[in-house]
Amino acid sequence: RKEVEQDPGPFNVPEGATVAFNCTYSNSASQSFFWYRQDCRKEPKLLMSVYSSGNEDGRFTAQLNRASQYISLLIRDSKLSDSATYLCVVNSIPGGGADGLTFGKGTHLIIQP
Amino acid sequence: DTAVSQTPKYLVTQMGNDKSIKCEQNLGHDTMYWYKQDSKKFLKIMFSYNNKELIINETVPNRFSPKSPDKAHLNLHINSLELGDSAVYFCASSQVGGYNEQFFGPGTRLTVL
Repeated sequence: RKEVEQDPGPFNVPEGATVAFNCTYSNSASQSFFWYRQDCRKEPKLLMSVYSSGNEDGRFTAQLNRASQYISLLIRDSKLSDSATYLCVVNSIPGGGADGLTFGKGTHLIIQP
Repeated sequence: DTAVSQTPKYLVTQMGNDKSIKCEQNLGHDTMYWYKQDSKKFLKIMFSYNNKELIINETVPNRFSPKSPDKAHLNLHINSLELGDSAVYFCASSQVGGYNEQFFGPGTRLTVL
């Protein structure tokens, strides 16, 4: 089983719709979780951290389910500018340390007008 | 602008050559990293370095070596380039370990012929 798995998509979604995708991780000792966004031929940028209690930032909501070892990202009222690849990132090293960061391969989202 | 910068943006070279990619961050971060993103878009950490400790991903060939002249720079040297080294290389920095946001440079697209 791969360490961090995501459905690569692409997810084709009409503008204004709600879209959600999940990411599963294999290491139950994983400590911290993130969603990064990567536009075509650009660098990844942090979208949001994922907290145990779940967190929301505008149209974006992230959830963590430790028991089932997955995190989710929900995008409401999707915009054309949301089209990108969304990378799930998991840190399995207690106390941090980027050497413990594992990136998923990303989920490609296309918002259609 | 405060950022992570890399040069060159594109690098095309022959097999067997030695090349370097430069990275600089002016964010005052204490830790810098090199990542490789291959043709399948899989992003994998190669090195992390924080002035005290160099952590090497065990899968990275010893033809790759990071060099840090100071806290704001982490350059990547590659000896005896191989076809399989073709990828996009991202430099990144963060303040304290993997819990904090990774700031990525724009990437260097390396093509080995």
